[in-house]
Amino acid sequence: DTGVSQDPRHKITKRGQNVTFRCDPISEHNRLYWYRQTLGQGPEFLTYFQNEAQLEKSRLLSDRFSAERPKGSFSTLEIQRTEQGDSAMYLCASSLLHSNTGELFFGEGSRLTVL
Amino acid sequence: AQTVTQSQPEMSVQEAETVTLSCTYDTSESDYYLFWYKQPPSRQMILVIRQEAYKQQNATENRFSVNFQKAAKSFSLKISDSQLGDAAMYFCAYRINYGGSQGNLIFGKGTKLSVKP
Repeated sequence: DTGVSQDPRHKITKRGQNVTFRCDPISEHNRLYWYRQTLGQGPEFLTYFQNEAQLEKSRLLSDRFSAERPKGSFSTLEIQRTEQGDSAMYLCASSLLHSNTGELFFGEGSRLTVL
Repeated sequence: AQTVTQSQPEMSVQEAETVTLSCTYDTSESDYYLFWYKQPPSRQMILVIRQEAYKQQNATENRFSVNFQKAAKSFSLKISDSQLGDAAMYFCAYRINYGGSQGNLIFGKGTKLSVKP
């Protein structure tokens, strides 16, 4: 297993367009998390899944954002009608439900630039 | 609500010297994890060291060690014999432990560490 992978790594789009990011977690991990990180800041929690169920959503996740994990494996994060304020790095992480270490494993992120 | 505070936006250390990064947190819970993650420029975030709240002994990982003061809610990271490859953003993070099932990770704003040759 090569770890958490995210695609695309970089996305440049015009304001008003829709974008979708994909995350493939470590295969046996049943928890999957999405974070947003703006320049010079720490990651901020957006949402997480346990298997296919979306268990928690941050108030940062506006109506324009939707996330899915249809078969409990990969996940997608879609942003509709993008705004310049959506420009950020979107990080995906995964973990086991019951972990001895509590560690989250992160992907390299998908950087979004909205022009 | 749980919060994590890193009061040093930037730190600098001479190669081979020791540096300490500060972190404080706020929680009313008794069972949780604390972490230091490293994020090199344009690279993924990786775990440096972790501490379980119920363990009094401070965690160590090679050149990295922590000073965990539970009563003071303080969790500092010490890097000994600093190397050029240690240059990165360092994030302190907290994660509650609900009887073996953990909540999401809450991060501080980070400390940018520069290492001078």
